[in-house]
Amino acid sequence: GAGVSQSPRYKVAKRGQDVALRCDPISGHVSLFWYQQALGQGPEFLTYFQNEAQLDKSGLPSDRFFAERPEGSVSTLKIQRTQQEDSAVYLCASSLAKGQPWDEQYFGPGTRLTVT
Amino acid sequence: LAKTTQPISMDSYEGQEVNITCSHNNIATNDYITWYQQFPSQGPRFIIQGYKTKVTNEVASLFIPADRKSSTLSLPRVSLSDTAVYYCLVGDMNTGFQKLVFGTGTRLLVSP
Repeated sequence: GAGVSQSPRYKVAKRGQDVALRCDPISGHVSLFWYQQALGQGPEFLTYFQNEAQLDKSGLPSDRFFAERPEGSVSTLKIQRTQQEDSAVYLCASSLAKGQPWDEQYFGPGTRLTVT
Repeated sequence: LAKTTQPISMDSYEGQEVNITCSHNNIATNDYITWYQQFPSQGPRFIIQGYKTKVTNEVASLFIPADRKSSTLSLPRVSLSDTAVYYCLVGDMNTGFQKLVFGTGTRLLVSP
């Protein structure tokens, strides 16, 4: 079946603009994660949803970052008033698990955000 | 979450066996060891996971000694397509969700 998809794949934003990044998880996957990956670094956790509930947002770097998953499927990561330091690849992952330990996460290809 | 240490980079040639060792001295009793692979412009992909001794699947083997303070990912007969970054992760199997903590990984370059 289809994997995790993300759109757009590339986004260029001018400093101060708002952006919205979309994630379509694998159908039926309960858990959804967002990660941020800077160039040359490993992904860093941003936030986690179990169905529509956002259970952890401890990794969001500032209050300019907001994520939602209103119907428990598609998720959107929104960044307001983008700054140059927001430039990174934003990865979405989903897993079938619901509270199960160390279930495999399936990652999308990511959205590369460049803030100019 | 236990911290992991792995080599920054490794070089190999096609057809060779590659072993990437990860150190996790502070691993806890409930921690599992998981490896992910990441190709350029793609998200990470799960390779293998284990708790102790040896685990093997169609892609790789994972060797974990009795003290569990380290682990070795073994890739048999690598090809050019195995060029990627490999991440070793350690985490509590009892957490309510899997908050993956990636390090900088090991960049493997396979040459002809």
